[in-house]
Amino acid sequence: KQEVTQIPAALSVPEGENLVLNCSFTDSAIYNLQWFRQDPGKGLTSLLLIQSSQREQTSGRLNASLDKSSGRSTLYIAASQPGDSATYLCAGGASWGKLQFGAGTQVVVTP
Amino acid sequence: EAQVTQNPRYLITVTGKKLTVTCSQNMNHEYMSWYRQDPGLGLRQIYYSMNVEVTDKGDVPEGYKVSRKEKRNFPLILESPSPNQTSLYFCASSFSGLINYGYTFGSGTRLTVV
Repeated sequence: KQEVTQIPAALSVPEGENLVLNCSFTDSAIYNLQWFRQDPGKGLTSLLLIQSSQREQTSGRLNASLDKSSGRSTLYIAASQPGDSATYLCAGGASWGKLQFGAGTQVVVTP
Repeated sequence: EAQVTQNPRYLITVTGKKLTVTCSQNMNHEYMSWYRQDPGLGLRQIYYSMNVEVTDKGDVPEGYKVSRKEKRNFPLILESPSPNQTSLYFCASSFSGLINYGYTFGSGTRLTVV
């Protein structure tokens, strides 16, 4: 069974700093890895999807990398803003139909 | 607008009273899935469906039932809810369960069983 771990569990940074969120997974036979954002009491919003054949994806200030050999993915958020405050979840799947989530990193960006 | 719609958003019920949470998607997705989210445990998969009439258990299926009679709908049924099923529930869909495609999530259903 795929195990997904996110470190740190919580992170607080001043506005303008770059954010680095880590995600590790146990099964290197991963199909893809997806990063989500969740605001309190809300649903999940997809941020970036990295296919297993890719090494990174970028969208605006967000960049996510995937290293299957080491079982790691990293989400970078450049020049953080208070609106980036949320919980960030990574999810990966190595079995047909099954998606495993990490517990998330709660981010607070202070003005 | 492409979306996954869950109803209701909030539900308070009593132990043992059967309930159904509906999920509908308008993207012609083959794959649909249910998750529950609990503090400290993250999201855990309850059931998933690869296509119409094809369903399978996730990691925490006990106490839940699902059906997939139409491609767009995937209801979650709690035949006899118990307080330990109090949770935040999410429905998700994807073009294919091959997981080479991203997932779209509904807004969630917060269920309280008293």
